[in-house]
Amino acid sequence: AQSVTQLGSHVSVSEGALVLLRCNYSSSVPPYLFWYVQYPNQGLQLLLKYTTGATLVKGINGFEAEFKKSETSFHLTKPSAHMSDAAEYFCAVSLDSNYQLIWGAGTKLIIKP
Amino acid sequence: EAGVAQSPRYKIIEKRQSVAFWCNPISGHATLYWYQQILGQGPKLLIQFQNNGVVDDSQLPKDRFSAERLKGVDSTLKIQPAKLEDSAVYLCASSLDLRSPFFGPGTRLTVL
Repeated sequence: AQSVTQLGSHVSVSEGALVLLRCNYSSSVPPYLFWYVQYPNQGLQLLLKYTTGATLVKGINGFEAEFKKSETSFHLTKPSAHMSDAAEYFCAVSLDSNYQLIWGAGTKLIIKP
Repeated sequence: EAGVAQSPRYKIIEKRQSVAFWCNPISGHATLYWYQQILGQGPKLLIQFQNNGVVDDSQLPKDRFSAERLKGVDSTLKIQPAKLEDSAVYLCASSLDLRSPFFGPGTRLTVL
């Protein structure tokens, strides 16, 4: 069965530091990969997605993610954290066969001043 | 472009009562989803519509949950009767390309 694992339910970084949120998936076929962000009391907003082509994907708010097939990973990074980045981040996978999104459990990003 | 609209934003009910949530998707989006998000977890798909037909409702607890999408636009999700474990955020989403849904703000349901 396909699954998505996000390492760390909480990640804490200092303002200005590198943000790295990890996502690994298991899939027998090439997946489509997504990162969504959820601010408190709001719905989920698409940050970025990988479908085909270039493996380094740039998203909104300065985030980017790299698809590494050999590592079955799609980690999310941002060079310099801002206080406004504090939110919960979800990684999701969509398989070509049924389009349904399979979600990770989420990682709460905490930004220290 | 207007986003996905949901109402109400918050609802508190007693167990065994009924409740209904409404969703208006982005104009032109044929696919509509209802998700349940329990605190600390990722969203769980309850039902997916393509226009006004059901594509997937395999995880919808059909003994108490029902959903409809009249005329392929607005949708309503109903719970009758509610249980304590139904306390969650109910998210509606819509998409154009079947792969990257746009989400509404959600309805936070508390069952006492």
